[in-house]
Amino acid sequence: AQSVTQLGSHVSVSEGALVLLRCNYSSSVPPYLFWYVQYPNQGLQLLLKYTSAATLVKGINGFEAEFKKSETSFHLTKPSAHMSDAAEYFCAVSDQRSNSGYALNFGKGTSLLVTP
Amino acid sequence: DTAVSQTPKYLVTQMGNDKSIKCEQNLGHDTMYWYKQDSKKFLKIMFSYNNKELIINETVPNRFSPKSPDKAHLNLHINSLELGDSAVYFCASSQDTGIFKLDFGQGTRLTVV
Repeated sequence: AQSVTQLGSHVSVSEGALVLLRCNYSSSVPPYLFWYVQYPNQGLQLLLKYTSAATLVKGINGFEAEFKKSETSFHLTKPSAHMSDAAEYFCAVSDQRSNSGYALNFGKGTSLLVTP
Repeated sequence: DTAVSQTPKYLVTQMGNDKSIKCEQNLGHDTMYWYKQDSKKFLKIMFSYNNKELIINETVPNRFSPKSPDKAHLNLHINSLELGDSAVYFCASSQDTGIFKLDFGQGTRLTVV
């Protein structure tokens, strides 16, 4: 099964500082990778996805992620944090769960705190 | 219009009761899913349907029974609720079974007392 590991369950940054959320994947095939954000008491919103096209993927709200096969990583970055970025962030990988079905396997999440 | 909508948003019930959660998507997608998010925010796939056919059935208690009357609707019925069933249940949909993107509902917070 394909899986992802998110390093750091909590990350704290100052407003205006670089955001770096780490995700490493384990996959026997070229993976499809995703980053989702969850604001309190809300559903998950897709930030960006990698589906084997460009290795640098740009998403919404100024986030981007780079697929690095040599490091099996798909880290999420944003140059300058805003207070509104405070949320839970999930890395996910597409995984075949049956002959005809795929699902997303999620990491355990990273809670991003942004301080003034 | 909400793309993936779940009802109810909150559900508080006693142990032993039976309850249902409903999900509808207006995106024209063929595939729908139920995920469970536990108290540590870990998300785990439970079921998936493609055009009314069950295609993913993870290891969950038989007390959980999904039903898809048509490809736009996926309901989750839970019998004999237990304390450990307390969680947030998310419905999601994708264009097809290949998963290039999942659209999630707002979640149903189930509390069993």
